[in-house]
Amino acid sequence: QKEVEQDPGPLSVPEGAIVSLNCTYSNSAFQYFMWYRQYSRKGPELLMYTYSSGNKEDGRFTAQVDKSSKYISLFIRDSQPSDSATYLCAMSRGGGNKLTFGTGTQLKVEL
Amino acid sequence: KAGVTQTPRYLIKTRGQQVTLSCSPISGHRSVSWYQQTPGQGLQFLFEYFSETQRNKGNFPGRFSGRQFSNSRSEMNVSTLELGDSALYLCASFPDVGTDTQYFGPGTRLTVL
Repeated sequence: QKEVEQDPGPLSVPEGAIVSLNCTYSNSAFQYFMWYRQYSRKGPELLMYTYSSGNKEDGRFTAQVDKSSKYISLFIRDSQPSDSATYLCAMSRGGGNKLTFGTGTQLKVEL
Repeated sequence: KAGVTQTPRYLIKTRGQQVTLSCSPISGHRSVSWYQQTPGQGLQFLFEYFSETQRNKGNFPGRFSGRQFSNSRSEMNVSTLELGDSALYLCASFPDVGTDTQYFGPGTRLTVL
């Protein structure tokens, strides 16, 4: 069983929809939680960064971390076709920058 | 501010050869991490260097090695290439630990024939 599980999708939504992306994890030592967006043939781009539990909002993006349930989420409001990409969750224990990634969810926002 | 630079961007090698990939981090960043990305396994951590010292290492065979220079530039080397080493190799740049100021490079796509 992988340390981080993420539904690979693909997930297809209409423009303007609210998108919910999720990851579960098994290692309770993880303290830092991240969401990346990766377009085809590009490197991952950091979207959201959270330390420990709680919510964080940045524009149309909201990240939630529930350490008690070992569950993290990314919400995208008013989704746009330009949001079509693969979304990767990642987490680390600290003591360095070793990130453990989910396999990524492919999102398509259709007109 | 210049981004993370990786060279070469594309590489084709044959089985048994060796390869060296290069990463130049963001100016002022002291930590460089390397990842292998494949369709089947996703992104897997290879190793991390901080101030020229390997700080973390992933579960890859000894054929995979790396180093970091005093200017924070990093190289990774893969010896005795196997078909399964075909992947996108990504470098990430961090100023230090636990920060949101982190950037990935565009990657080097390695194809082993």
